Amino acid sequence: AQSVTQPDIHITVSEGASLELRCNYSYGATPYLFWYVQSPGQGLQLLLKYFSGDTLVQGIKGFEAEFKRSQSSFNLRKPSVHWSDAAEYFCAVGAYDTGRRALTFGSGTRLQVQP
Amino acid sequence: NAGVTQTPKFQVLKTGQSMTLQCAQDMNHNSMYWYRQDPGMGLRLIYYSASEGTTDKGEVPNGYNVSRLNKREFSLRLESAAPSQTSVYFCASSERGQQPQHFGDGTRLSIL
Repeated sequence: AQSVTQPDIHITVSEGASLELRCNYSYGATPYLFWYVQSPGQGLQLLLKYFSGDTLVQGIKGFEAEFKRSQSSFNLRKPSVHWSDAAEYFCAVGAYDTGRRALTFGSGTRLQVQP
Repeated sequence: NAGVTQTPKFQVLKTGQSMTLQCAQDMNHNSMYWYRQDPGMGLRLIYYSASEGTTDKGEVPNGYNVSRLNKREFSLRLESAAPSQTSVYFCASSERGQQPQHFGDGTRLSIL
């Protein structure tokens, strides 16, 4: 079975600084990988996804993520953080044999943005 | 721009009571999902419906039942609520075979 680890429970960055949120997964084959964002009191919104091909994927709101098979990682990055990016971020992995619907989510990283 | 609508937004139940959480989407999506979210944990899939008339168990189905009433609506029922079911419940939808794309704002359920 697949699993996801987000090592950082809480991260604080200054507005305008760069951001990297870590995600490590465990799965025997090439996984489907996703990042979602959750603003307070709301549901999740899909930021970006990786299925195959180019290992650097672009998403909405200026986010990107890089799939590194050798490190079993799918870290989320943004070059310059805005105050509106403060939210909780979830990495998720899906297994090829069960399809994209059967996602396993990480426990989330809460991002705080300082002025 | 309704997207996925969940009702109610908040509910408090006593142990043993029953309740149905409602979900409706207006995007003509085939697939719908119910998740629960607990502190310090990611979302866990309770039930999934690939299309109207079909449902499948997810990771944590015990204590729940679902009904895919039509293409728009997917309800989640707790027959005899237990404190362990205190959680935030999210409904989601997607195109057939895709990962969950659109989420509702959640139902915060407390069971005393």
